[in-house]
Amino acid sequence: AQSVTQPDIHITVSEGASLELRCNYSYGATPYLFWYVQSPGQGLQLLLKYFSGDTLVQGIKGFEAEFKRSQSSFNLRKPSVHWSDAAEYFCAVVPWAGGGADGLTFGKGTHLIIQP
Amino acid sequence: KAGVTQTPRYLIKTRGQQVTLSCSPISGHRSVSWYQQTPGQGLQFLFEYFSETQRNKGNFPGRFSGRQFSNSRSEMNVSTLELGDSALYLCASSLAGRGGSDTQYFGPGTRLTVL
Repeated sequence: AQSVTQPDIHITVSEGASLELRCNYSYGATPYLFWYVQSPGQGLQLLLKYFSGDTLVQGIKGFEAEFKRSQSSFNLRKPSVHWSDAAEYFCAVVPWAGGGADGLTFGKGTHLIIQP
Repeated sequence: KAGVTQTPRYLIKTRGQQVTLSCSPISGHRSVSWYQQTPGQGLQFLFEYFSETQRNKGNFPGRFSGRQFSNSRSEMNVSTLELGDSALYLCASSLAGRGGSDTQYFGPGTRLTVL
């Protein structure tokens, strides 16, 4: 079964600084990969996803992620964070061909704190 | 286009009771998935419905069940509630639920508290 590891439970970044959130997955083949963000009291919003092609994926709100097959990683980056980026970030995977109905497997999340 | 809506947003129940949560997907979406979010276990997949049929189920006991109606709206039911069922229940909809090729859009969730 696939699994997702987000090694950092909490990350604190100063406003304006760069950000990288780590995500490693375990799966026999290349899965679909996602990053979602959850603000307090809210549902999940999709930031970006990867399933083929260019390994550098651009998303909303200035986020990007890079897929590295050799490292089974899909790290999320942002060059300059804003206070509004404070939230919980989730990496998720679903099998490539998935039978069409497999649910997303999520990491435990990384809580991002922005210092003024 | 309206997003995924979930009702109610908050629920308080006591142990042993049952509860029904509702989810209305985005118009035109035929796949609805349910997830449970708890501080300890994180986000876990419950089940997915497409065209009124359950196609996949996560590793949850039979107390957790669901259904989907012809208009794609979905309900999930939890019977004989336990304290550990306290969680945020998230619903997600997608066009056809074809693995990762369909983006899942999440609702705001229903916060269930079991006393």
